[in-house]
Amino acid sequence: QKEVEQNSGPLSVPEGAIASLNCTYSDRGSQSFFWYRQYSGKSPELIMFIYSNGDKEDGRFTAQLNKASQYVSLLIRDSQPSDSATYLCAVMDTGRRALTFGSGTRLQVQP
Amino acid sequence: EPEVTQTPSHQVTQMGQEVILRCVPISNHLYFYWYRQILGQKVEFLVSFYNNEISEKSEIFDDQFSVERPDGSNFTLKIRSTKLEDSAMYFCASSLQPAWAGELFFGEGSRLTVL
Repeated sequence: QKEVEQNSGPLSVPEGAIASLNCTYSDRGSQSFFWYRQYSGKSPELIMFIYSNGDKEDGRFTAQLNKASQYVSLLIRDSQPSDSATYLCAVMDTGRRALTFGSGTRLQVQP
Repeated sequence: EPEVTQTPSHQVTQMGQEVILRCVPISNHLYFYWYRQILGQKVEFLVSFYNNEISEKSEIFDDQFSVERPDGSNFTLKIRSTKLEDSAMYFCASSLQPAWAGELFFGEGSRLTVL
């Protein structure tokens, strides 16, 4: 059974701080890694995806991947109250068509 | 901006009844998916669909479930005989590329309540 693990939180950070969200996965064959944001009662929306070891930056967001440690993280710089949501880590094997989601980390950004 | 649309937004049904959830994917997308999320739980994969056939399905997607693309725009999920445990939010998604290569666009979901 392939697993994607996340701390459920809530992770509480003050406005303007860096939020660090972490995810581990069990399947070494995983090739694609995704971070989705889900507001309460809404659908997931993609923030970033990463395939290669290292960092990938997009605006205030940075995804970090370490395949040797089977670890992927998301950093949110200059956190805003509007970033308060549940962040879902999702993993996929190349050639498959199914995302395996973690249970999500709830982020609260305090004004 | 193109979006995935789903109907109904909320459906209440009696146990044992058949339910059809409808989705209109983004028009030029080629890959279609159904996911579900039981309240407070993970988003779970049900099925993927490409070139008018199922390309992958999970163990959840048993004989009570079926999918269909009856015309060029709609993508439907049918649950033949609903059970209490089918109560969940059902998300349709579509993508231009295979799912591992990029973004899945999710619809706003159809909430199914089975009584």
